[in-house]
Amino acid sequence: AQSVTQLDSHVSVSEGTPVLLRCNYSSSYSPSLFWYVQHPNKGLQLLLKYTSAATLVKGINGFEAEFKKSETSFHLTKPSAHMSDAAEYFCVVPSNTGKLIFGQGTTLQVKP
Amino acid sequence: DAGVIQSPRHEVTEMGQEVTLRCKPISGHNSLFWYRQTMMRGLELLIYFNNNVPIDDSGMPEDRFSAKMPNASFSTLKIQPSEPRDSAVYFCASSQPGTSGSYEQYFGPGTRLTVT
Repeated sequence: AQSVTQLDSHVSVSEGTPVLLRCNYSSSYSPSLFWYVQHPNKGLQLLLKYTSAATLVKGINGFEAEFKKSETSFHLTKPSAHMSDAAEYFCVVPSNTGKLIFGQGTTLQVKP
Repeated sequence: DAGVIQSPRHEVTEMGQEVTLRCKPISGHNSLFWYRQTMMRGLELLIYFNNNVPIDDSGMPEDRFSAKMPNASFSTLKIQPSEPRDSAVYFCASSQPGTSGSYEQYFGPGTRLTVT
């Protein structure tokens, strides 16, 4: 069975500093993996997706994530945080039925 | 593409009234999902459809909730009668499995429901 674990429920960074949001996955086969972002009072937006084509995936707004099979990780990073990055971030793995399995979410706070 | 369209964006109703939420998926997508999001319980999958057929409704909280998808471009989620504990943001999402079977879903902006 597939599952994801987001290791931090809350991350706080200063504007201009790097962002690291951690996600570990569990899957019986090589999965697809996604990161979604939800800004306050908005819907969920697909940030990036891994589908086995390349282990380093670039997404929107300067975010990227690296799939590491040996570590079963799919951490989300950004070199320099912007105030507009403050949001809730979800690591997601699809089940083989098409349903999405969401992590618990990580709230990113960006301080000026 | 306009993305997933939901209406209304906000709904305020009194306890006991019927509420109908509407969703238009992205054209060409054959799967549609209804979610509910609250602070207490986070994001919950209520029901999903493949090719207009309900596949899994195990997340529907009780008989007061019903969902239909009469055609590929329209779905409704109905609550009758509504209760204050139904207050939440309801999201609709659609997907079309890609060649890699990636199953990413595209979400609508949500309907914020308040039941007083």
